[in-house]
Amino acid sequence: AQTVTQSQPEMSVQEAETVTLSCTYDTSESDYYLFWYKQPPSRQMILVIRQEAYKQQNATENRFSVNFQKAAKSFSLKISDSQLGDAAMYFCAYISQGGSEKLVFGKGTKLTVNP
Amino acid sequence: EPEVTQTPSHQVTQMGQEVILRCVPISNHLYFYWYRQILGQKVEFLVSFYNNEISEKSEIFDDQFSVERPDGSNFTLKIRSTKLEDSAMYFCASSEVRTGREQFFGPGTRLTVL
Repeated sequence: AQTVTQSQPEMSVQEAETVTLSCTYDTSESDYYLFWYKQPPSRQMILVIRQEAYKQQNATENRFSVNFQKAAKSFSLKISDSQLGDAAMYFCAYISQGGSEKLVFGKGTKLTVNP
Repeated sequence: EPEVTQTPSHQVTQMGQEVILRCVPISNHLYFYWYRQILGQKVEFLVSFYNNEISEKSEIFDDQFSVERPDGSNFTLKIRSTKLEDSAMYFCASSEVRTGREQFFGPGTRLTVL
């Protein structure tokens, strides 16, 4: 079974600085997708960024980028120029391409942005 | 922008009572999901639903749970006889396609079983 591990329960960053959130996963599959979801306090989870496993190029979305290392099964999220609105829980998630349709989540990292 | 909605936001019930959690998925989505998150733990998959039937379910989703799409817009999760350990945040999600694309999540229903 697939597992996702986020080893940082909490992280903090100064406004305008850069922070990296870690995620590792375990799978025997070769085709899958990885996601980072953001959950602000009392709000729904929204997708931050998505990575297809077959793509070597790391995904980027404005200030958000990932470092996808398939062999190491690592999928970290980098937030550049951090803003107060980035404060949230961040969840790393995995989904198989052809098998199960369920998202497998990590436990989440709570990000605090200090002014 | 379309979004998934859930009602109620918070439900308190007595152990042994039945509860129904309601969700309105995004209108053109075909795949529907329920997840739950016990406080301090991971978000866990419960069930997926497509074409009016369950397509996948986890070990958590036992006979006490059921899902239904009673009309063209609502998607419900019923817990027949709630237990203390059912206390959790329940998230509904929907997706256009089976896998690979974003699952859009609702804000969740906090269920408290006393």
